[in-house]
Formats: sequence, C-alpha cells, structure tokens
Amino acid sequence: DGGITQSPKYLFRKEGQNVTLSCEQNLNHDAMYWYRQDPGQGLRLIYYSQIVNDFQKGDIAEGYSVSREKKESFPLTVTSAQKNPTAFYLCASSKSGDSPNEQFFGPGTRLTVL
Amino acid sequence: GDSVTQMEGPVTLSEEAFLTINCTYTATGYPSLFWYVQYPGEGLQLLLKATKADDKGSNKGFEATYRKETTSFHLEKGSVQVSDSAVYFCALRLMDSSYKLIFGSGTRLLVRP
Repeated sequence: DGGITQSPKYLFRKEGQNVTLSCEQNLNHDAMYWYRQDPGQGLRLIYYSQIVNDFQKGDIAEGYSVSREKKESFPLTVTSAQKNPTAFYLCASSKSGDSPNEQFFGPGTRLTVL
Repeated sequence: GDSVTQMEGPVTLSEEAFLTINCTYTATGYPSLFWYVQYPGEGLQLLLKATKADDKGSNKGFEATYRKETTSFHLEKGSVQVSDSAVYFCALRLMDSSYKLIFGSGTRLLVRP
C-alpha cells in the first residue's frame, strides 16, 4: 500500500544534540512538507520541498535543516540551535501543480528533549 | 495575511447529536478549503475538501459548504458517534506557487455514549 512512513514514533534527545527524523513516501509525490504541532495548537510549517534538490523555509525554520536528495525521502534535522524542540513532528506529501491536491500525512514522530 | 479561524473546543456532545464546527478564513483569491481529522497519537487524515464557491464536500456523513460571501467552511454532521471523537482542523491551500496549507488551531470533539 502506498503511504508515508515516519520513524521513529518516539524519540528522546539530550539537550545540545542534533537529531534526524526520517520521512519516506512511496506515493510518487513531488512535494513534501514538515510541520510542527504543539499541544492544543495547529500545525506550523517548518520546511517544504516541491522538487528534488530544492527546498524552501516555512514559517518556523530556525533551528532546523532538511535535505531532498531523493524524491521519496525528506529527512528533518533538529539542531541544538532549536530552543524548544519538544513537539510532535508531522511529515506530509502531495502532488504538485495547480490542482487542489491534498496533502497526505505520516503518523508523526514525538520528540522529547530531556 | 492568509489565516484560518476555528471555534475553540472542546466540543462535547452526546451520541446522535448534531455537530457544527465553525471555520472562517481570510485569503486573497479563491483558495481551496479542507477539513482534516486527527485521532489521538496519529497523523492527519483528509476528511473532505472543496475547491470553489458553493462546492459541498462530503465524506463519512460529514459535510461542509464553501461559502465565499461569508468566507466560511463550517463542518456539520447530522448524528455523531463515539468514534468521531478526534481533533478537527480546517485548512486553506494557498493558490500561489508554494501550494502551502494554512491550518486553523483545531477543535477537539468529544462524543459521549
């Protein structure tokens, strides 16, 4: 079945450490997105990529980095510069183009900084 | 700027009650509108969508109509079930080249037997 996988589901990190969250999709989608969700709040866009080897900052990119070397993969690195990294991270993908193509979401990774 | 405003929750209903979750938006042009649902500990699932004025999206008994004159996209269901308990997000898709989604803050629905 086609879909989006994120790993791991739970992740613990010590302060000062970088950590990389995985996101893989087999939907053949061109566009991929990373969101952050805090308790009781909506989703905020961190980074997005519309094509391989290209990505753009979202609304809250500071302290995060991404790469898009393959169409299927869009890993997110949470660096030590991110001041408050504990959150639920969601990856999504969509077709690109002018059609109102919906975004499909992965199951999420919950990151806790100890 | 572009934004989505949802009614604050939680919304608590008894099973078989009528549901309305209000959503209004501010945007330039004619955005596409979506409702997503999030069950505890999971990612978001698309519930329904509408792409132009007066379109009605529907799925699993839920409905929402794109009202341009009132810039609204209210979610309704005639008879809720316990299994509908979740967080519901209204979102709009920007029609610029980014195709980004702008989300509301979410409304938690709790349905009691």
